[in-house]
Amino acid sequence: QKEVEQNSGPLSVPEGAIASLNCTYSDRGSQSFFWYRQYSGKSPELIMFIYSNGDKEDGRFTAQLNKASQYVSLLIRDSQPSDSATYLCAPSGGGADGLTFGKGTHLIIQP
Amino acid sequence: EPEVTQTPSHQVTQMGQEVILRCVPISNHLYFYWYRQILGQKVEFLVSFYNNEISEKSEIFDDQFSVERPDGSNFTLKIRSTKLEDSAMYFCASSEWGLGSTDTQYFGPGTRLTVL
Repeated sequence: QKEVEQNSGPLSVPEGAIASLNCTYSDRGSQSFFWYRQYSGKSPELIMFIYSNGDKEDGRFTAQLNKASQYVSLLIRDSQPSDSATYLCAPSGGGADGLTFGKGTHLIIQP
Repeated sequence: EPEVTQTPSHQVTQMGQEVILRCVPISNHLYFYWYRQILGQKVEFLVSFYNNEISEKSEIFDDQFSVERPDGSNFTLKIRSTKLEDSAMYFCASSEWGLGSTDTQYFGPGTRLTVL
C-alpha cells in the first residue's frame, strides 16, 4: 500500500527565502510523483511532475527525487506570500489508480 | 485552458436524503475520479472510472455511493442516504491517459456537502 509522509508544519519562511518541503514514501515501486498546491478551501492544483532521479526545475520550483532513499522534495526559490498554501505530494500510479495524498505541509511565507 | 467543472458549489441536505454531485471532466480525458476531503483532513480517494465502469475504489466507497457517466460529458457521484459524516468537500478529477505525465489528474473546484 502506498503511504506518504510529510511534515504537516506549519513551515514558516521569510519572503524571498528558499522554502524546502519534504516527502517520504513507502512503496519502492513508485516511479513518479506529483506535487500539488492547495489553498485553503480550494482544490489541489498541479505544481510539478517528476519521474527521474535527480532534479527537475520549473521557474521558481525545483523537485528532487531520490528513489534509493524513497524521498522526494520541493524547493521554492524567492518565496512569495502567494506561495502560502498546503503542499501535497503523491506517487503516480498511472491510469485508474487513485492518488494517495499525505496530510501535506502547510507553508507560510512571512512578508 | 480546459478545466474540470463541478456543480453545485455547495449542497446542503438533510441526513438520510440522496444527493447527486455533478462533474464535467476535461473533454479529451479518459479517466475520471472522485475524492473527498473532510474539513482539516487529507484528500482521500474514493473511486476511479474508465471505459464506463469502475476501475478502482477505496474502502470509503461503500454501497451508499455510486458513480455514473449518464452522457458523453457528465460524471456523477450519488450518495443514497447521507450521513452526518459525509459532510466534506468532494472533488472530481480527470486525466488524459495512463502513461507518464499524461496521467496527471486535474481537479475541479469541488462541491462542499453539508449534511444536517
